[in-house]
Amino acid sequence: DIQMTQSPSTLSASVGDRVSITCRASQSISIFLAWYQQKPGKAPKLLIYQTSALENGVPSRFSGFGSGTEFTLIIDSLQPDDFATYYCQQYTTYPWTFGQGTKVEFK
Amino acid sequence: QVQLQESGPGLVKPSQTLSLTCSVSGGSISSGGHHWTWIRQVPGKGLEWIGYIFYTGNTYYNPSLQSRVSISVDTSQNQFSLEMTSVTAADTAVYYCARDRQMRDAFNVWGQGTMVTVSS
Repeated sequence: DIQMTQSPSTLSASVGDRVSITCRASQSISIFLAWYQQKPGKAPKLLIYQTSALENGVPSRFSGFGSGTEFTLIIDSLQPDDFATYYCQQYTTYPWTFGQGTKVEFK
Repeated sequence: QVQLQESGPGLVKPSQTLSLTCSVSGGSISSGGHHWTWIRQVPGKGLEWIGYIFYTGNTYYNPSLQSRVSISVDTSQNQFSLEMTSVTAADTAVYYCARDRQMRDAFNVWGQGTMVTVSS
């Protein structure tokens, strides 16, 4: 299986901050990477697919880039609604696998 | 827009079979173009992809669960189901059904999830 490793596991930030989350794959996954946001008690919500494509309705303060084995999710000007856990997921090789998550919490 | 809703027992005894159903509304499973998927999340932990089914009945399972898992589809009822045999406490999780944007793509439609506890 392709292992997905996110860093950091927890990120403390304030409203207005620019935050960055990294996801590394154990082997190349080309650009077939997605990012999800999950809030407590809720299902994950797709933010970005194919590394950098924004899902419909997702604010433009979210962006993604990378290729191969290293990927980054950027949130520009963090908003109160953005405090949540974020997961990356590869969908190049079955079984699809997810990172362990990065919790963005209030500083 | 397509919506998914999981249903099934919230408590299953060890060694028994877990059975869940995902009801699809706002779209037809038979329209094709998507994989209908089960994903689970142990409380406080990450996400694990279980497997998918296509409307034709073609399936693919996570090798780590393949020996215990079966996914089926009922196009007449517009729903698909998960069965997991010989469950243990390690199978206690929130189970989600989901649909990809298109085949072999990210998941843009999720059910709300259903908590299944394995306990005697």
